[in-house]
Amino acid sequence: GAVVSQHPSWVICKSGTSVKIECRSLDFQATTMFWYRQFPKQSLMLMATSNEGSKATYEQGVEKDKFLINHASLTLSTLTVTSAHPEDSSFYICSASLLAGRETQYFGPGTRLLVL
Amino acid sequence: GDSVTQMEGPVTLSEEAFLTINCTYTATGYPSLFWYVQYPGEGLQLLLKATKADDKGSNKGFEATYRKETTSFHLEKGSVQVSDSAVYFCALSELAGNEKLTFGTGTRLTIIP
Repeated sequence: GAVVSQHPSWVICKSGTSVKIECRSLDFQATTMFWYRQFPKQSLMLMATSNEGSKATYEQGVEKDKFLINHASLTLSTLTVTSAHPEDSSFYICSASLLAGRETQYFGPGTRLLVL
Repeated sequence: GDSVTQMEGPVTLSEEAFLTINCTYTATGYPSLFWYVQYPGEGLQLLLKATKADDKGSNKGFEATYRKETTSFHLEKGSVQVSDSAVYFCALSELAGNEKLTFGTGTRLTIIP
C-alpha cells in the first residue's frame, strides 16, 4: 500500500528557533498533501492543504507566516515552524493523496515537537 | 460547522468480546463518513467508509452503518483480537472523496488476552 513517511519523528528545540518537518510519499506521487495538528486528547485539526507547485491553502486561524508550507515536488512537502514557542508544541501529522477529492488520504506517523 | 463526537476512551476489552465505539456527527450537508485506525508507531489508516445514508462499510471484521436519522456511524466488531488494539478515529468529509476531513478525538482500544 501507499506509504508516507515523516522526518523527524520527534524534535526538541529552543524557543525562538525554526523547525522543519518533512513529509514524503515513498511509493506514489502525491498531488495534494495535508498538514494536521493534534493536541493531547483532541482531534486532528487540519492546518493547511498544499498542491504541488502552488501555494498552500491555510485553514482559518492558522498563521501563514508562522507555519510555512512548501510542496516543491510530487513526493515531498515540508512544514517549517518559524520562531517556535512553547505553545507550538504539538503532534504534527501529514497526509498525502493522489488527487484531492478523489483519492484516499495516506497518513504519515507524525512528528512530535517540543519547544522549550 | 461540522463536528464529530466519539466515545471517550480508553476502552479495554477481553479477547473475543463484542466491540462498539459510538460516533455521531453534525454536518450541514450530506457527508461521507470514515473510520481510521492508528496502530502503535504508525500513521492513520483508512479502516472503512460509507458515502451515503444506509450504506454499510466493512473491513477486517469491522462494520459501521451510515444512519442519517440518528446522525451516527458506530463502529462494531463481533469478536475482537489482541491485534485490534489501536486508536480509532471517526471522521467526516463534506466534499467528494475525503478532502478536508473533520476528525473525532479518537478512542484508544486495548484488547487483553
